[in-house]
Amino acid sequence: DQQVKQNSPSLSVQEGRISILNCDYTNSMFDYFLWYKKYPAEGPTFLISISSIKDKNEDGRFTVFLNKSAKHLSLHIVPSQPGDSAVYFCAASSPGGAQKLVFGQGTRLTINP
Amino acid sequence: NAGVMQNPRHLVRRRGQEARLRCSPMKGHSHVYWYRQLPEEGLKFMVYLQKENIIDESGMPKERFSAEFPKEGPSILRIQQVVRGDSAAYFCASSPDRRTSSYNEQFFGPGTRLTVL
Repeated sequence: DQQVKQNSPSLSVQEGRISILNCDYTNSMFDYFLWYKKYPAEGPTFLISISSIKDKNEDGRFTVFLNKSAKHLSLHIVPSQPGDSAVYFCAASSPGGAQKLVFGQGTRLTINP
Repeated sequence: NAGVMQNPRHLVRRRGQEARLRCSPMKGHSHVYWYRQLPEEGLKFMVYLQKENIIDESGMPKERFSAEFPKEGPSILRIQQVVRGDSAAYFCASSPDRRTSSYNEQFFGPGTRLTVL
């Protein structure tokens, strides 16, 4: 049962344009969402997060939008840069003691010059 | 400020051998998580530990896998009698005490890539 889904395995974007990565979830108990970036042979690097009490969080070139009614979140990167080429994972957690993260399958973003 | 450290980075074992993976959390972090990533898949939660306590092991296989986080020293993920299906990247993450931070960002180590021959 895939509770967090990233339906696009890959995405190609031209340098300087906007990259939009999407994520859907099914568990309405999730209250905190995170985006991680991963290069080959490295661990995931935390990018940005959002609490379920917000619908938008912005940090520099990165903005995350949360639509709770649609159970959908997206990551916007603008302008896209070659160094943004990586695999991006969406993750979610629910309240309580466990705090474990549930990850999507990832989207491979390629920024073309 | 050292990040999460994992060793070894690469580990090769033959079927039936034991694998020990080590994780040192970030300074000041008291929570450790282990995740496994199979090829072309996302990370899957295995176990969540605090010092000397296993808090949630709902993602751990019932047999051959165990984890600990002793009072002193790194967290250890132990896989006994490895099989080819155990070949994966194993990532450790740490987070600060929830009493000092309202967030649940988990910071990941570089991973250990286990290959079972």
